[in-house]
Amino acid sequence: EVQLLESGGGLVQPGGSLRLSCAASGFTFSSYAMSWVRQAPGKGLVWVSIISNRGGITFYADSVKGRFTISRDNSKNTLYLQMNSLRAEDTAVYYCAKDDYGVKGRGLFDYWGQGTLVTVSS
Amino acid sequence: AIQLTQFPSSLSASVGDRVTITCRASQGISSALAWYQQKPGKAPKLLIYDASSLESGVPSRFSGSGSGTDFTLTISSLQPEDFATYYCQQFNNYPYTFGQGTKLEIK
Repeated sequence: EVQLLESGGGLVQPGGSLRLSCAASGFTFSSYAMSWVRQAPGKGLVWVSIISNRGGITFYADSVKGRFTISRDNSKNTLYLQMNSLRAEDTAVYYCAKDDYGVKGRGLFDYWGQGTLVTVSS
Repeated sequence: AIQLTQFPSSLSASVGDRVTITCRASQGISSALAWYQQKPGKAPKLLIYDASSLESGVPSRFSGSGSGTDFTLTISSLQPEDFATYYCQQFNNYPYTFGQGTKLEIK
């Protein structure tokens, strides 16, 4: 059974940093691209970033480019999102999502974690 | 970025009804469209991919159609567990984008 378990969310001040983790199990993690998708309270879904199966290819939404960094450790079956220079508008539940396609992925998310809430506020 | 517009934004229906949700893309995306279902406090669940392919384990009352810019999700006979919010998503181009959602409520 595929499982994705996010952690690392919490309350952070504007301008602060946070690192999210997503522990994966139930599939060959190193064979699939992975993404982060966020959802502000009461709002819709917004794709944030994607990383290829080996970590060599990454893409970001314009709203987080230069502030967020996606990475992965295939030896630990874990996906990360380093978030710097956080803003109030980054407040959201952050989901990690498995791509249904290997290598660089195609942006189709067949499994999702339960999400972790990030709140940016003073 | 490709914009996806869903309509209606909300819909009231009864158990047993047939409902259709539409998603329109601001430019052609071939068949690179997915539909997700999300219930309150839960993660989204993939229902339909490649515009019309049913994800494994999803009931056959769900179906999708369309290509290019116009797509539909149809639920042939609503069940109580189908009341949720539905999102379309395009994966033809970066950045991947979602529609604003359609909230399906019980009449």
